[in-house]
Amino acid sequence: DIVMTQSPDSLAVSLGERATINCKSSQSVLYSSNNKNYLAWYQQKPGQPPKLLIYWASTRESGVPDRFSGSGSGTDFTLTISSLQAEDVAVYYCQQYYSTLLYTFGQGTKLEIK
Amino acid sequence: QVQLQESGPRLVKPSETLSLTCTVSGDSISSYYWSWIRQSPGKGLEWIGYTYYSGSTNYNPSVKSRVTISVDTSKNQLSLRLNSVTAADTAVYYCVRSKRNMVATFDYWGQGTLVTVS
Repeated sequence: DIVMTQSPDSLAVSLGERATINCKSSQSVLYSSNNKNYLAWYQQKPGQPPKLLIYWASTRESGVPDRFSGSGSGTDFTLTISSLQAEDVAVYYCQQYYSTLLYTFGQGTKLEIK
Repeated sequence: QVQLQESGPRLVKPSETLSLTCTVSGDSISSYYWSWIRQSPGKGLEWIGYTYYSGSTNYNPSVKSRVTISVDTSKNQLSLRLNSVTAADTAVYYCVRSKRNMVATFDYWGQGTLVTVS
């Protein structure tokens, strides 16, 4: 199984400031034949299902504000919110879809306003 | 707008079968992969398995011996059956669609239904 580990488990950031969430996979999720990282990011607000933000590690889903960006390759990835808004308070998850045997998620990072 | 709605019993007894149905509206079930994902406080988000509209399936090894996911294209529905449930199967169960031409990048989610095994 590919284990996804996020850090930190929680963080508090002031409005307008940058928020950075890290995700590390136990093995590379970079597929060499197409040079794509099989990594997605989701946002989950209380009482709601997760929402897809980013896929292929850095491709923003349609309708997602451009303050959200994804980066990284291989085993180390980052979700960055460039200027935190109040509506960004949520739990964020990374997910790998490299392993067709088992698709796995990180444990989640809770983002709050400082 | 694509909408997914889970339905089924909210309370299941231990050792019995959990059965859920997902009704898809706003788009055809064809040409997509459809998954069930569950979320419990103790285990976070867990992918259970998927079905393609053609009927092919793939399951999480941890539940493979107990799970069946199927699709009914005539009704635009998919279903989940999980046998021999225990308290560990208590979770919110989500019906989820993957992006077109992708297997496990989940762009549409149902609201989820809490199933309690007790």
